[in-house]
Amino acid sequence: IAGITQAPTSQILAAGRRMTLRCTQDMRHNAMYWYRQDLGLGLRLIHYSNTAGTTGKGEVPDGYSVSRANTDDFPLTLASAVPSQTSVYFCASSYDRNTEAFFGQGTRLTVV
Amino acid sequence: TQLLEQSPQFLSIQEGENLTVYCNSSSVFSSLQWYRQEPGEGPVLLVTVVTGGEVKKLKRLTFQFGDARKDSSLHITAAQPGDTGLYLCAGAPRGGQNFVFGPGTRLSVLP
Repeated sequence: IAGITQAPTSQILAAGRRMTLRCTQDMRHNAMYWYRQDLGLGLRLIHYSNTAGTTGKGEVPDGYSVSRANTDDFPLTLASAVPSQTSVYFCASSYDRNTEAFFGQGTRLTVV
Repeated sequence: TQLLEQSPQFLSIQEGENLTVYCNSSSVFSSLQWYRQEPGEGPVLLVTVVTGGEVKKLKRLTFQFGDARKDSSLHITAAQPGDTGLYLCAGAPRGGQNFVFGPGTRLSVLP
């Protein structure tokens, strides 16, 4: 089934550890995004990529990095996790920037 | 301060009632989207509105984009328990920036 896949679905992580959240899409979408969702704050954009080989900073990029080596994959890395990064993380893709976004199932991350 | 505000934040109603939720901003958007998110799932697009004053209908859901393209509303007629979820609006600011999301309205429809 075509779509967008995130892994892991949940993770408990010790503060200071490095973690990579994986995201893969098979829809050949040009644009991909990483959001975090926190109660009362909605979805906030962390990083985005309008096309393979390019990335950009969103609203809350500090503490996170991304890469877009190919069209399908868009991993999000936390270099040294902190408790404030406890959140639900969603990866999304769209054919082009600001067209319909398709979201993954989310990764629930708890940093302790 | 959020670019998009949504109201009400929470809404609990009985099956069969009508309701309206709002998405407001002081900024102008080139387009606006509405998504619904169910627990444990990612948001799913319901509609995109592009033209000021535009009205779109999706079965019992009616979406309207304000004339000035700063606000939008979602009206649900005869709500059903299956309408329960988090309703998110997302606007594309002028100038080609990425979509920004509102905080959402959490709707609960009781049988």
